[in-house]
Amino acid sequence: KAGVTQTPRYLIKTRGQQVTLSCSPISGHRSVSWYQQTPGQGLQFLFEYFSETQRNKGNFPGRFSGRQFSNSRSEMNVSTLELGDSALYLCASSLMASGLAKNIQYFGAGTRLSVL
Amino acid sequence: DQQVKQNSPSLSVQEGRISILNCDYTNSMFDYFLWYKKYPAEGPTFLISISSIKDKNEDGRFTVFLNKSAKHLSLHIVPSQPGDSAVYFCAAAVGNEKLTFGTGTRLTIIP
Repeated sequence: KAGVTQTPRYLIKTRGQQVTLSCSPISGHRSVSWYQQTPGQGLQFLFEYFSETQRNKGNFPGRFSGRQFSNSRSEMNVSTLELGDSALYLCASSLMASGLAKNIQYFGAGTRLSVL
Repeated sequence: DQQVKQNSPSLSVQEGRISILNCDYTNSMFDYFLWYKKYPAEGPTFLISISSIKDKNEDGRFTVFLNKSAKHLSLHIVPSQPGDSAVYFCAAAVGNEKLTFGTGTRLTIIP
């Protein structure tokens, strides 16, 4: 069974640009969550999608948005990039929607975004 | 406001000895706790979890202890092996809400 796939693995952008990251969950998983990992901040929750609906949202500005498609694949978009957006963006999928925390999340290897 | 804290950024332990990773939290509403392990260039992988109704959960070489009065969580690895070298994240949640992660502790096992 294939794991969570994130593309691209690496991305370099300049300030002011926008970026779209992609995540394909494990087959059969319907919940997809996104996290930002930066040194000293750990993993910060961005948002979670289930059945194409956003169910939970973290404390990030509106420049960060996402969506989920009918095949459970998800995309995350960041507009008007800032230097501080440089981070590793991780996607995680889980089997069930209810009890987010109590369902094991399976992570992809992440997309490393560098903003110059 | 960091509700889940891992105050030791790094830890080195001799192979065969016990590794103890610590995690403190401030939100008394947290009722579910997890540990994830992360190797370089890979995503975190689930290791072990514990519900707030328990104070200990064991899985092979890994044991998680929960001290609710102290709002403290610890992960014990016995015996430590070179393959255990990784970054360990603790995480906590209230009910069905999102996971809140700590900042991670880099564990290095010395052969």
